[in-house]
Amino acid sequence: AQSVTQLGSHVSVSEGALVLLRCNYSSSVPPYLFWYVQYPNQGLQLLLKYTSAATLVKGINGFEAEFKKSETSFHLTKPSAHMSDAAEYFCAVSGSFQKLVFGTGTRLLVSP
Amino acid sequence: EPEVTQTPSHQVTQMGQEVILRCVPISNHLYFYWYRQILGQKVEFLVSFYNNEISEKSEIFDDQFSVERPDGSNFTLKIRSTKLEDSAMYFCASSAVSTEAFFGQGTRLTVV
Repeated sequence: AQSVTQLGSHVSVSEGALVLLRCNYSSSVPPYLFWYVQYPNQGLQLLLKYTSAATLVKGINGFEAEFKKSETSFHLTKPSAHMSDAAEYFCAVSGSFQKLVFGTGTRLLVSP
Repeated sequence: EPEVTQTPSHQVTQMGQEVILRCVPISNHLYFYWYRQILGQKVEFLVSFYNNEISEKSEIFDDQFSVERPDGSNFTLKIRSTKLEDSAMYFCASSAVSTEAFFGQGTRLTVV
């Protein structure tokens, strides 16, 4: 069985500040981990993925995430937030590439 | 860039009516999925489909749901007798072998 916990339903940052969105996973098999972003009234767009290669994964729009097995974490970071980063972010886990199990999501609010 | 296309973007239906949600997956993909997102909640897996049959389904995917790939391009989700609680955003996704899922923009289903 697999699950994902995203700490914080809302995260507020100022433009230019560090973005940190937390994700902890549970998996009985080596996991594949994903971060998806959802802009208002749009679908899910893949930001980045971990597939057992490099533990530091770089994605689109300047985001990156680090897989830490000892902490069962896959936190998403971005050094400097932009207004355009305001969206809902979902962490997801899979035992293969099929059947994603999503977290509850974190809404990122960016203030000027 | 190839994308998953869903139609319609919004569907309103009366309780008890049948509804069919349509999806055109990315052309060389082999795995197809439906997920749903009830307003304000997390994205939930419904069903995966491979080689013209269901490969996995969730507890949500009961007898009132069915999926079909009627031709070489479309992938449909049918809800036989809609209930108020079926109101949600329904996402179609597709993937190739050992790749991440690509999501469509979603169909917002409103049952009245």
